[in-house]
Amino acid sequence: QKEVEQNSGPLSVPEGAIASLNCTYSDRGSQSFFWYRQYSGKSPELIMSIYSNGDKEDGRFTAQLNKASQYVSLLIRDSQPSDSATYLCAVKPPGAGSYQLTFGKGTKLSVIP
Amino acid sequence: EAEVAQSPRYKITEKSQAVAFWCDPISGHATLYWYRQILGQGPELLVQFQDESVVDDSQLPKDRFSAERLKGVDSTLKIQPAELGDSAMYLCASSTPGTSGSYEQYFGPGTRLTVT
Repeated sequence: QKEVEQNSGPLSVPEGAIASLNCTYSDRGSQSFFWYRQYSGKSPELIMSIYSNGDKEDGRFTAQLNKASQYVSLLIRDSQPSDSATYLCAVKPPGAGSYQLTFGKGTKLSVIP
Repeated sequence: EAEVAQSPRYKITEKSQAVAFWCDPISGHATLYWYRQILGQGPELLVQFQDESVVDDSQLPKDRFSAERLKGVDSTLKIQPAELGDSAMYLCASSTPGTSGSYEQYFGPGTRLTVT
């Protein structure tokens, strides 16, 4: 069974600190990985995608992928109160023809002013 | 900026009634998804369309749920009859192959359904 695991949190960090969010997945052949941000009562918003091992940076966000360890993470530098949200990790399992994503339950991040 | 449109944003219905949700994907996106998200959980796929064809509806409760995308553009998800356990956020997403074949999915604002 395809699984995506995240610590549900809440993860509390002070304003200006680095927030580190982690995700593991069970399907070794997975190729595409995504991070979504979801504010309370709102829909998920795509913030990062990563497909190759290593780091990918976009502004204050860095996604890290280690396929050998089946691990993907999201770092948020200089955390702001506006970053307080639930962060969903999503994985596209291998196989052509179906592009559905498997989502984790999300990690709730709270940035304390 | 192109967005996925959904309506209604909120729906309250009584148990055993019929309810329908509408989605209009980002223009040009051939792949459309309906997800259900229960509070505290991640979205779970109900049905995936490629143009007007269903690609995957293995998680759709077909005794009460139906979905269509007749012209391969907008889509409707219907529940009849609604049950208390159907209370959730219903999300529509769309995607198209990126330059790397990435198929990044973009979500609409969702419909919050409450069944009483």
